[in-house]
Amino acid sequence: VVLTQSPAALSLSLGERAILSCRANQSVSNFLAWFQQKPGQAPRLLIYDASNRATGIPDRFSGGGSGTDFTLTINSLEPEDLAVYYCQQRSNWPLTFGGGTKVDIK
Amino acid sequence: EVQLVESGGGLAKPGGSLRLSCAASGFIFSASGMNWVRQAPGKGLEWVSSISSGSSHIYYADSVKGRFTISRDNAKNSVYLQMNSLRAEDTAVYYCARGDGPTGRAPMGDWGQGTLVTVSS
Repeated sequence: VVLTQSPAALSLSLGERAILSCRANQSVSNFLAWFQQKPGQAPRLLIYDASNRATGIPDRFSGGGSGTDFTLTINSLEPEDLAVYYCQQRSNWPLTFGGGTKVDIK
Repeated sequence: EVQLVESGGGLAKPGGSLRLSCAASGFIFSASGMNWVRQAPGKGLEWVSSISSGSSHIYYADSVKGRFTISRDNAKNSVYLQMNSLRAEDTAVYYCARGDGPTGRAPMGDWGQGTLVTVSS
């Protein structure tokens, strides 16, 4: 399964809403996760199974979609949200990641 | 608190071998699938291999199949990645990640800090 993320980069002001897209070339049902990777850090699970927030993730992060089209929404951007965001499917082997969306704060 | 600590990275020559280890604590290791994910310098994430909780199901990316071997020792709370026939394109930070469930396909809920593997002559 090929996952295509868009846009590749996003520059927004603090307090704005970010909408990130992840599109699969075949259905992955709802078996899609989103990860956040801050500079110099390991990835962190944000959302699993399309819309479930992982433990400790603030509710300004939300996920949606099913089948082939998914979104990660970050409401009211904060400085610590500067990161690269990856989607990943676990519907089929091999597990695959999208190419990432870099979120920059203006 | 979940902790995953990778070790064993370093410099290897093309064609050489390395064995990565990941020591786990803070959760029931024998109930969790485990994964290796890598990230080449400046690049995105690439899944490498997964092993189910009881080692009955093992999967590899095509890019490493036949060269890398994943294994685990539930008595030692550790997972391993034996890497043979290393290539320059295997240069990456290798992360160990815990699955939130017994299969190799469970969501990767916790990650180690990674260990750098550099393949160069």
